[in-house]
This record gives sequence, structure tokens and C-alpha cells, in this order.
Amino acid sequence: SAVISQKPSRDICQRGTSLTIQCQVDSQVTMMFWYRQQPGQSLTLIATANQGSEATYESGFVIDKFPISRPNLTFSTLTVSNMSPEDSSIYLCSVVVGQGLDYGYTFGSGTRLTVV
Amino acid sequence: AQKITQTQPGMFVQEKEAVTLDCTYDTSDPSYGLFWYKQPSSGEMIFLIYQGSYDQQNATEGRYSLNFQKARKSANLVISASQLGDSAMYFCAMSRIQGAQKLVFGQGTRLTINP
Repeated sequence: SAVISQKPSRDICQRGTSLTIQCQVDSQVTMMFWYRQQPGQSLTLIATANQGSEATYESGFVIDKFPISRPNLTFSTLTVSNMSPEDSSIYLCSVVVGQGLDYGYTFGSGTRLTVV
Repeated sequence: AQKITQTQPGMFVQEKEAVTLDCTYDTSDPSYGLFWYKQPSSGEMIFLIYQGSYDQQNATEGRYSLNFQKARKSANLVISASQLGDSAMYFCAMSRIQGAQKLVFGQGTRLTINP
């Protein structure tokens, strides 16, 4: 299995500013996923990040608001841009581990973002 | 498209009792995986158990078992002998086994264990 270091663990930000969240994996992985969890809600996929290609965004999420970087197979960043209080959420990164029928997912510890 | 439904927003159970958390799913994929995660108030996602659509037997992991009924498209989580530390949010999720393996989550069930 993989271990993910996610930073920061929490932050309080002013509206209109941007925050960049980092995820570092201790092994090389092909796909990395970014999720948002709004207060009291479930996890919603923002985008899938593959190394060397543009991230694939889910419906309702756009690159201008959530730009993603994936410079290598162990690292990715998600930026939350021009923040508003509605962006207050937990943001989590995740990777697929294993292959074929023997696979699973590892999650970062999450970034708890509050926008004031 | 894949969809996960958890119909129990909240569950209250006495300590040491068994509890079943419901999960139904819908997919057109021939092969898929079903997962259960626990999320305590800290926010971390803790993997509990996995069931592949091809598995003939129900998965078990310690006090956790998954009641997999493929024809009914259900994948209920059973926790035996509940403990106070089991109080948390529980999410059912699924993914395709081949291709884009994004996880799709249900709405979650908040489980509270009473002493």
C-alpha cells in the first residue's frame, strides 16, 4: 500500500485568495484523485490527475477554479482559486494501489479549509 | 454511470450489539469493486472492507463483514459486537475494476454507539 502526506492539514483563508494543497506519495502511482467533502456531505470527485497529461474534471468543476499540477508520479497539487465561503470543505487526495483484481485506495489525511 | 445509495442518514446502537449499515448500488459495468470506509471526526478515511463483484464469498475483516447480494445489488456492512470507538461516518463506495477507477461514494451513514 502507499502512504500519502497531505499538506496543509487545515487552514483559514480570506475570501478572494487562493490555497494550494499538496499530496506527496511514497511510491509511484499512475492516477491521483482529488475529492471535496462539503460540511455534512459525502465525498465528491473534483478531478483525476494523470502524470504528463491534463487533469480530467468532473461535471461542475472547472480548471480555472481548481487548477491541478501533476509534475511526476509521486506528487500533485490542487489549488482552490478565488475562494468564497462556499469553498469551505475538506479536500482529500487519493491514489489507486495494486492492480488488476487486487486493488484498493489510499487517502491523504485531508485538508480542512475554512474561508472567511 | 455508477450510483451508490445509503438510505440511513443516522443509526443509534447499543454497545456490544451488532449493526447493519445498508448500501445499494447501480452500475452497468460487468466488473466492479465495492468498498466501505469509516470517517471519524478527524476527517481521515479509514478502509474497512472490499468486495469484488466476481467474489463468490462474502468478504470479512475482523469484526466487519460485507453481506453481498449481487442480484439485489446490495452490499451491506455488518459490524459485530459494536464498540464506542465505532461511532463515526460510514461510506459505501464503488469503482470499476478496469479503466478509469474513480471511486463513487454514497451519502454516508452516521453511526452512534451508546454505552
